[in-house]
Amino acid sequence: GQQVQQSPASLVLQEGENAELQCNFSSTATQLQWFYQSPGGSLVSLLSNPSGTKHTGRLTSTTVTKERRSSLHISSSQTTDSGTYLCATAGQGGRALIFGTGTTVSVSP
Amino acid sequence: EAAVTQSPRSKVAVTGGKVTLSCHQTNNHDYMYWYRQDTGHGLRLIHYSYVADSTEKGDIPDGYKASRPSQENFSLILELASLSQTAVYFCASSPDSRGTEVFFGKGTRLTVV
Repeated sequence: GQQVQQSPASLVLQEGENAELQCNFSSTATQLQWFYQSPGGSLVSLLSNPSGTKHTGRLTSTTVTKERRSSLHISSSQTTDSGTYLCATAGQGGRALIFGTGTTVSVSP
Repeated sequence: EAAVTQSPRSKVAVTGGKVTLSCHQTNNHDYMYWYRQDTGHGLRLIHYSYVADSTEKGDIPDGYKASRPSQENFSLILELASLSQTAVYFCASSPDSRGTEVFFGKGTRLTVV
């Protein structure tokens, strides 16, 4: 079945620094979502980007579908960006999202 | 606003006992999911459903049953709880399988002792 790998596992930043998170998946998929999990555990969707480049606020995602990879760029990091970023793509015949293990980001002031 | 409510939010269960985790959505979504999260494993899919009265096995269904009695409600049942099922469980809903809109509950922390 579909497998999703994320790197790095963790990242420590000084406020204002940029970060690049990577996501690789084993099978070509028409879905690619990035999620944010707060330190308290709540999960929210950040953006959906099955191909190409998408921006939302200080986040930019670039997905190269045929190479089965996606990246999430965080610009000018803030302490409120601290948390875990999860990548997910299609599994179960396209009926469910399969998640990577996440990248934990810690931003210090 | 889309809402997914899980209950209980935390539970301590005895090994061998029966545990039922409940999920209720007011989003009118067809798809509902149960995931578990363990440190170092991200979110793993246990069961899902895309229509009432029908459930599908996910990637790690062993030891779990699911029930979808209505569009709004989706339960996860552990008939014989084991120590290895200690984890945080998340329910989610989505209007379709494309995954462009997925809403999660706040999670249930289950500790089996």
